[in-house]
Amino acid sequence: AQSVTQLDSQVPVFEEAPVELRCNYSSSVSVYLFWYVQYPNQGLQLLLKYLSGSTLVKGINGFEAEFNKSQTSFHLRKPSVHISDTAEYFCAAGGYQKVTFGTGTKLQVIP
Amino acid sequence: DVKVTQSSRYLVKRTGEKVFLECVQDMDHENMFWYRQDPGLGLRLIYFSYDVKMKEKGDIPEGYSVSREKKERFSLILESASTNQTSMYLCASSLPRDSSGNTIYFGEGSWLTVV
Repeated sequence: AQSVTQLDSQVPVFEEAPVELRCNYSSSVSVYLFWYVQYPNQGLQLLLKYLSGSTLVKGINGFEAEFNKSQTSFHLRKPSVHISDTAEYFCAAGGYQKVTFGTGTKLQVIP
Repeated sequence: DVKVTQSSRYLVKRTGEKVFLECVQDMDHENMFWYRQDPGLGLRLIYFSYDVKMKEKGDIPEGYSVSREKKERFSLILESASTNQTSMYLCASSLPRDSSGNTIYFGEGSWLTVV
């Protein structure tokens, strides 16, 4: 069975500082990997996804993630965060017909 | 743009009531999903459907049922609501069956409180 682990439930960071949100997955088969963002009182929207090819994936709003097969990780990074990045971020892994989500990481950007 | 519309943003129901949560998508997606979101637990899949009249159980189907009579509409039914079903419910859709690499599009969520 597939599982997704987000190691940090909350990450506070000062505005304009860099941030990394960690995600590890477990799977014995090839997976597709995603990061979604949820702004307050809204549904989730896709930030970026890895299907194949280059292990560095660029997404919207300046975010990027790197697929590391040997470490089964897909960490999300942004070099300089903005107040508007305050949200909850979900890592997800897709397999046959089904996508499994992590428990989410709340990013709090401090002015 | 894909739009997934959930009919009610906020509902308050009494214990034992039958509750319907309705969801419509406008992009002809084959796959539709119902998730439940709780603090610290992330998103958990309740049911999904990859075609009209087809449904499959997700990770937490107990206490729920679904209906998909038309391709664009997927309903979640709580036959007899209980307080432990107080939660945020998210409907979603995506492109064809077996294509787990495709983006999932979410509605804005329905906050259900059972008292």
